[in-house]
Amino acid sequence: RKEVEQDPGPFNVPEGATVAFNCTYSNSASQSFFWYRQDCRKEPKLLMSVYSSGNEDGRFTAQLNRASQYISLLIRDSKLSDSATYLCVVNVPSGTYKYIFGTGTRLKVLA
Amino acid sequence: GAVVSQHPSRVICKSGTSVKIECRSLDFQATTMFWYRQFPKKSLMLMATSNEGSKATYEQGVEKDKFLINHASLTLSTLTVTSAHPEDSSFYICSADVGGKSSYEQYFGPGTRLTVT
Repeated sequence: RKEVEQDPGPFNVPEGATVAFNCTYSNSASQSFFWYRQDCRKEPKLLMSVYSSGNEDGRFTAQLNRASQYISLLIRDSKLSDSATYLCVVNVPSGTYKYIFGTGTRLKVLA
Repeated sequence: GAVVSQHPSRVICKSGTSVKIECRSLDFQATTMFWYRQFPKKSLMLMATSNEGSKATYEQGVEKDKFLINHASLTLSTLTVTSAHPEDSSFYICSADVGGKSSYEQYFGPGTRLTVT
């Protein structure tokens, strides 16, 4: 089983739609969780950290379910500019710690 | 957010030569930096964790003698690809941990695209 798993997509959605991505992780000792956005041929950019209580930033909502070991990202009212690859990142203890990336989920928002 | 720079952004070298990539944290001190490589349409794969003042920790399957990492200061880590071969062509990205926060957010450099001919 991969340490961090995501559906690679692509998810093709019309503008204005709501779309949700899930990510599962295997290490129950994982401490911190993040969603990053990566545009083609660019470096990843932090979208949001994911907290146990869930957190929201504008149109984006992230949730963490420790019992089931998954995190989710919900995007409401999709914009064309949301088209990108969304990477799930998990911080796992390893000596000190390290970050493991999921394969990413591609989102295409269509006009 | 925190700023991380990488240099060069793009490099083309001949097979057998060595290439050094620099990663700098510009407005914060980073005791830990990470080096990743990314193949086209693939996710980032952690190569090694670079700790200031100590040896890097390499992931399984990454040759430490081929990918030399030096983290000589709190703002600079370097990755040297020695005796590069065409299969080393990839997008190399560094990141730095902003530390001191409970969430351990990391910020990425813009990446270096290496092409070995």
